[in-house]
Amino acid sequence: NFMLTQPHSVSESPGKTVTISCTRSSGSIASNYVQWYQQRPGSSPTTVIYEDNQRPSGVPDRFSGSIDSSSNSASLTISGLKTEDEADYYCQSYDSSNAVFGGGTQLTVL
Amino acid sequence: EVQLVESGGGVVRPGGSLRLSCAASGFTFDDYGMSWVRQAPGKGLEWVSGINWNGGSTGYADSVKGRFTISRDNAKNSLYLQMNSLRAEDTALYHCARDSYSSGWRYFDYWGQGTLVTVSS
Repeated sequence: NFMLTQPHSVSESPGKTVTISCTRSSGSIASNYVQWYQQRPGSSPTTVIYEDNQRPSGVPDRFSGSIDSSSNSASLTISGLKTEDEADYYCQSYDSSNAVFGGGTQLTVL
Repeated sequence: EVQLVESGGGVVRPGGSLRLSCAASGFTFDDYGMSWVRQAPGKGLEWVSGINWNGGSTGYADSVKGRFTISRDNAKNSLYLQMNSLRAEDTALYHCARDSYSSGWRYFDYWGQGTLVTVSS
């Protein structure tokens, strides 16, 4: 089984851009799609990016996703930060027998 | 509107059993795989188990393999998780989640609000 490693926390100012990384421990990051979920306190997760770089309807284009095979990692980039973006963010991928979540990144917008 | 409503949580002693249920509505249940995802208090998300559209394929996290059993009843639009030999570390909010594919655990596009399981003596 592989693991997904995220930074524990990141912080940035409103209007700026932040990038959250997600590194796969074994196997290629490109071998299975990566999703990103946003979770606000007291709420269930919602999808902000699926299939590496696709946005569900209703998610603003300030959210973007990418993968980098050279570093075996995925990234979530949020531009034009708003205070409402403050939340926990989780990456997720899978293989034939498991789904795996990263440990989560707490985003603070201050 | 897609709805997933979990039930069956509660307080149980270590070594005990519980059966969680998830009632699905607003979509064709047997077109989709389903999973259970848990979140311990103050901790991150952990995938527990998944099942494909017809129940023919299941998967389990190593932490629950041999103790938990996932199943589904497509006629009742329901998903289940039988949890045996419960441990303190199984204490968590258990979410039912729909896989956007039929396979069970690729991408979770809808989530329930969760049912709380507390394992304590």
